Amino acid sequence: QSALTQPASVSGSPGQSITFSCTGTSSDVGSYNLVSWYQQHPGKAPKLLIYEATKRPSGVSSRFSGSKSGNAASLTISGLQAEDEADYYCCSYGGSGTYYVFGTGTKVTVL
Amino acid sequence: QVQLQESGPGLVEPSGTLSLTCAVSGDSISSDKWWSWVRQPPGKGLEWIGEFYHNGHTNYNPSLQSRVTISIDKSRNQFSLRLSSVTAADTAVYYCVNNGYYCLEFWGQGTLVTVSS
Repeated sequence: QSALTQPASVSGSPGQSITFSCTGTSSDVGSYNLVSWYQQHPGKAPKLLIYEATKRPSGVSSRFSGSKSGNAASLTISGLQAEDEADYYCCSYGGSGTYYVFGTGTKVTVL
Repeated sequence: QVQLQESGPGLVEPSGTLSLTCAVSGDSISSDKWWSWVRQPPGKGLEWIGEFYHNGHTNYNPSLQSRVTISIDKSRNQFSLRLSSVTAADTAVYYCVNNGYYCLEFWGQGTLVTVSS
């Protein structure tokens, strides 16, 4: 299966909001509301930010929000902060036989 | 909160077998959850390797299925990964993960495995 497509990089100034996409196919993102998002700082393990496309785990800031429409999902970071500078990966369940497929990753830079 | 810790050789020879163990604390390996392995080549993205359930059911990434085995040791509350016939392309940081609802919720810190002679 092919990786989901994400923009390579996105940047924004402190306090701004940024949104970036995760594009899949009708076999993965389009078929299931089972998209998750992960934040990864350099040298660290990924951290779950969003699951089931829009839900936040306990302890994750409300500045992170997710959405999904058709074959694409999006992550929005509101009130951008310096600590948000990291790599972000989406992941979708692709059904029996494919299971989990990750996105290509987006590097977020806080200007 | 569950904690996971990977361990195993940091260097494996080409054509050999990579073997890693994940020690779990704060939860039982026999709980109603799936447990996964994920890897990340240096400077690259994440790749899901496979998952297992305590009743023995496993699911593997189709691209790795012929070389991967995930097993469980209930007595030690740990699970293991074996990847055979490794090449340089298998060099990566390997993470063990406690799945949430169709997501990867709690991650170990990761361990770097280099394939080289």
